[in-house]
Amino acid sequence: QKEVEQNSGPLSVPEGAIASLNCTYSDRGSQSFFWYRQYSGKSPELIMFIYSNGDKEDGRFTAQLNKASQYVSLLIRDSQPSDSATYLCAVNGGADGLTFGKGTHLIIQP
Amino acid sequence: GAVVSQHPSRVICKSGTSVKIECRSLDFQATTMFWYRQFPKQSLMLMATSNEGSKATYEQGVEKDKFLINHASLTLSTLTVTSAHPEDSSFYICSAPPAGGTEAFFGQGTRLTVV
Repeated sequence: QKEVEQNSGPLSVPEGAIASLNCTYSDRGSQSFFWYRQYSGKSPELIMFIYSNGDKEDGRFTAQLNKASQYVSLLIRDSQPSDSATYLCAVNGGADGLTFGKGTHLIIQP
Repeated sequence: GAVVSQHPSRVICKSGTSVKIECRSLDFQATTMFWYRQFPKQSLMLMATSNEGSKATYEQGVEKDKFLINHASLTLSTLTVTSAHPEDSSFYICSAPPAGGTEAFFGQGTRLTVV
């Protein structure tokens, strides 16, 4: 049974600070890792994906992957109130589709 | 990016009736479509995987006779909730990876309320 674990939060971060979201996964053979943002009542939207160990930066977002420790994280710099949402970590299992964590509820305090 | 169009976005139906949800891939061919269900404050749970031209694969605990999936073409997959009950009220979302891709593009989701 593939599992993806996230702290459900809520995680409260002051506006302008760095928000750090973490995720661990159980399947050591996982190859692809995704971060989705989901606003209440809406469908998830892709923020970042990462395949290789290390950091990947895209604007204010940085994804970090450590396959040896089986964790992936998302950093959001200069947090904005519009970043308040639930962030879902997802791991790709090939033909099995994505396995999602339960999500971390992020609140950016103005 | 690729677009998956899902309809309806919201539906209210009476207990015992059936509801059909459609997902279309608009600018790519989706040989595989994943159907998820999300209860309030819960994560997305995979219900089934549909493959064009073949029977869907259902996750453990999901009733295949209740949740009918049809993937008759490379651009359309449908989920029919038969004999709906209030406990089937949920947010249903489809997603599809473009050929050769691993990321999933999601439909807009369908909020089903069974009264």
